[in-house]
Amino acid sequence: SQQGEEDPQALSIQEGENATMNCSYKTSINNLQWYRQNSGRGLVHLILIRSNEREKHSGRLRVTLDTSKKSSSLLITASRAADTASYFCATELYSGNTPLVFGKGTRLSVIA
Amino acid sequence: DAGVTQSPTHLIKTRGQQVTLRCSPKSGHDTVSWYQQALGQGPQFIFQYYEEEERQRGNFPDRFSGHQFPNYSSELNVNALLLGDSALYLCASSYEETQYFGPGTRLLVL
Repeated sequence: SQQGEEDPQALSIQEGENATMNCSYKTSINNLQWYRQNSGRGLVHLILIRSNEREKHSGRLRVTLDTSKKSSSLLITASRAADTASYFCATELYSGNTPLVFGKGTRLSVIA
Repeated sequence: DAGVTQSPTHLIKTRGQQVTLRCSPKSGHDTVSWYQQALGQGPQFIFQYYEEEERQRGNFPDRFSGHQFPNYSSELNVNALLLGDSALYLCASSYEETQYFGPGTRLLVL
């Protein structure tokens, strides 16, 4: 079963705009990770945020985590056409290399 | 340093056949996990191997089995293929928290 649920399911923006995707989950977690997938191929790891962290940055990416609301957001600033992809949140319920539980993803289209 | 590799990239089988997919992890990674991703869905965990043993298993039938070799590479076997087994099969390797995914094998069952 899916633990996470991304919102929106699809997002279309102009190049240079910011894109925000949200993820909600159901149970307590050890960490939450965001992945990108281009054209149904392999997943690329973007960022990991632990349950005791509230915000992390990596380049043009900003991730927040609110464990009280069981939600996370991914912000991509100054988007580029190359950011067009599907974005998934995945939760790791326990520490120690446990399986990831993915949502259904957000399909982002960045129009040049 | 090579990333996670998978073979083959594409595969077409017919119902009832058996298939073997292969995965080589990143150098130094001792844990391999397999996921199934149906079209339009997120990946679903199949099982995880560590030290040549199946450590955890998702909600998949016994038709799905695997193996891990001493060099940490892994195989996923699926017997008695069903149309519903058509999907992208992803392998991920890890050493600590982060799982690194391979490009996947796209399996089509006719």
